[in-house]
Amino acid sequence: KAGVTQTPRYLIKTRGQQVTLSCSPISGHRSVSWYQQTPGQGLQFLFEYFSETQRNKGNFPGRFSGRQFSNSRSEMNVSTLELGDSALYLCASSLAPTGTDTQYFGPGTRLTVL
Amino acid sequence: AQSVAQPEDQVNVAEGNPLTVKCTYSVSGNPYLFWYVQYPNRGLQFLLKYITGDNLVKGSYGFEAEFNKSQTSFHLKKPSALVSDSALYFCAVRDMGGSQGNLIFGKGTKLSVKP
Repeated sequence: KAGVTQTPRYLIKTRGQQVTLSCSPISGHRSVSWYQQTPGQGLQFLFEYFSETQRNKGNFPGRFSGRQFSNSRSEMNVSTLELGDSALYLCASSLAPTGTDTQYFGPGTRLTVL
Repeated sequence: AQSVAQPEDQVNVAEGNPLTVKCTYSVSGNPYLFWYVQYPNRGLQFLLKYITGDNLVKGSYGFEAEFNKSQTSFHLKKPSALVSDSALYFCAVRDMGGSQGNLIFGKGTKLSVKP
């Protein structure tokens, strides 16, 4: 069974641009969560989607948004990029909503904002 | 506000010795507690979780964690460390009594196991 895939793996953008990251969960998994990892702030929860609905949201500004499609694939969008948005963005999938089932993580998308 | 503390930035252990990676938490409601591991140049891997029930939770790769409600701790343990256990370990808590159920991570503890 294929694991969680994230595209692209690496991305370079400039300040003010917007970016869309994609996450394909393990087949059959309906819950997708997004996390940001930076050296300074560590791992921070962004949001969680289950069956196309946002269930939980972390403390991030409205520039960070996401959505989930009917096939459970999820996208995350960051608008008006700032230097501080440079990070590793991780996606995780699980059968059930986070907290009740094992999460499987993708390799991440490394975003660099110049 | 909910929080997670991993008081040690780094833990050094000799191979074959027992290891403990510490975690304490603060939540307003009942916690869901997790441990994750991140190996160099690899993604994050789920190790184990505590939802309810037995205070001793067993997880992947021989790791276990003990939930202690009175001390609000969830320390990760392994009876005999391996060099391959060297990695970055994260403790996380989810406050199921909170309005958003945010998942909060600790800063991480680097485990170094020497042969």
